[in-house]
Amino acid sequence: EVQLVESGGGLVQPGGSLRLSCAASRFTFNNYWMGWARQVSGKGLEWVANINQDGSARFYMDSVKGRFTISRDNAKNSLYLQMNSLRADDTAVYHCARILERSGYYNFDYWGQGTLVTVSS
Amino acid sequence: IQMTQSPSSLSASVGDRVTITCQASQDINKYLNWYQQKPGKAPKVLIYGASILEAGVPSRFSGSGSGTYFTFTISSLQPEDIATYYCQQYDNLRWTFGQGTKVEI
Repeated sequence: EVQLVESGGGLVQPGGSLRLSCAASRFTFNNYWMGWARQVSGKGLEWVANINQDGSARFYMDSVKGRFTISRDNAKNSLYLQMNSLRADDTAVYHCARILERSGYYNFDYWGQGTLVTVSS
Repeated sequence: IQMTQSPSSLSASVGDRVTITCQASQDINKYLNWYQQKPGKAPKVLIYGASILEAGVPSRFSGSGSGTYFTFTISSLQPEDIATYYCQQYDNLRWTFGQGTKVEI
């Protein structure tokens, strides 16, 4: 079964940086779009960013544009999220997720368990 | 694109028909998915392309709509359907989730 394991979360001060990683296994990583989504404890889901198979196309939610960078290393089957200028409202559990495309329709089909990012002084 | 999902929560009896709606701030064709999230679990896609049932998902779940107005229906609510349901659009590959609907018995 597809496996996605996030790491790199933690406590960071406002204005600080973190780099999240997602190790993917049991599927051909470079065949798939990948993405990050986040969820504040007890609250709803929020899409953060997507990246295509070779990293040439990247899309971000407005509130993280210019602060976060999604990237991938297909040789290492890994997805990354570099987060700079972190703010308190970035506090959430961050999930990496695989994107399935079928006849032009896209959805997240596998999710990791997430890594907690807490932005606080 | 903003997604307005309603209601935010509902309580229904086993066997009831349950309907959730999602309205997009602009035309998204049929680029809409519905997910189910149970406590402590990752979301699971139930419907993609607004109305296509994901393989293995019970037929009591259905979706309809296009453009800006979408509905998600559970035809006969079962105890295992207790969860939070989210719509999610992906026009132009920038995605947005609805606020979620918590379904309780």
